[in-house]
Amino acid sequence: DAGVTQSPTHLIKTRGQQVTLRCSPKSGHDTVSWYQQALGQGPQFIFQYYEEEERQRGNFPDRFSGHQFPNYSSELNVNALLLGDSALYLCASSFPQAGYGETQYFGPGTRLLVL
Amino acid sequence: AQKITQTQPGMFVQEKEAVTLDCTYDTSDPSYGLFWYKQPSSGEMIFLIYQGSYDQQNATEGRYSLNFQKARKSANLVISASQLGDSAMYFCAMRELSSQGGSEKLVFGKGTKLTVNP
Repeated sequence: DAGVTQSPTHLIKTRGQQVTLRCSPKSGHDTVSWYQQALGQGPQFIFQYYEEEERQRGNFPDRFSGHQFPNYSSELNVNALLLGDSALYLCASSFPQAGYGETQYFGPGTRLLVL
Repeated sequence: AQKITQTQPGMFVQEKEAVTLDCTYDTSDPSYGLFWYKQPSSGEMIFLIYQGSYDQQNATEGRYSLNFQKARKSANLVISASQLGDSAMYFCAMRELSSQGGSEKLVFGKGTKLTVNP
């Protein structure tokens, strides 16, 4: 049973560039959430996708956008990169289970460095 | 708004001993869920244990148990018989339901770095 996968594992960009990160959910999961984790902090929720639509969004600017495909995989796009966008980007997948809430399972993350 | 507080930036424990990692939370919702995740240096967040607000028993998963004290709004993680491989960051998180309903996000604490000494 494949877990959540993310690509690439590491990425280096310069200010002003655009980046696309990819995520494939755990088998059987239909919901994908994205989180940003700055160094020394806990993850911060960016947004969540379900049925190819953004279902909930955290406090992130419009430079952060996403997409979910029919096979439930997802992309996170960040435009006009800033130095402060340097972080570990985590993707999590979930599937609602009665009585258990939505346990989110995380991928290994993509480490983005903006120079 | 919900809030998770982890007051221990770092903890040390001897191999084979038990350790408790603290977590307090703040919410006005009667229904909520609490999670603990382990994050090794590789970066992946590994799900450890879950406690629902209406669960009568404290959750247990192998060497992990959750000491849930609802009145005190605390959900401490207890790791028994620590192993060297337990050295990692540990995050407490709360499930927050969207006001529109139908979706949940996790709100995380700042984490505790656990070091297991041989």
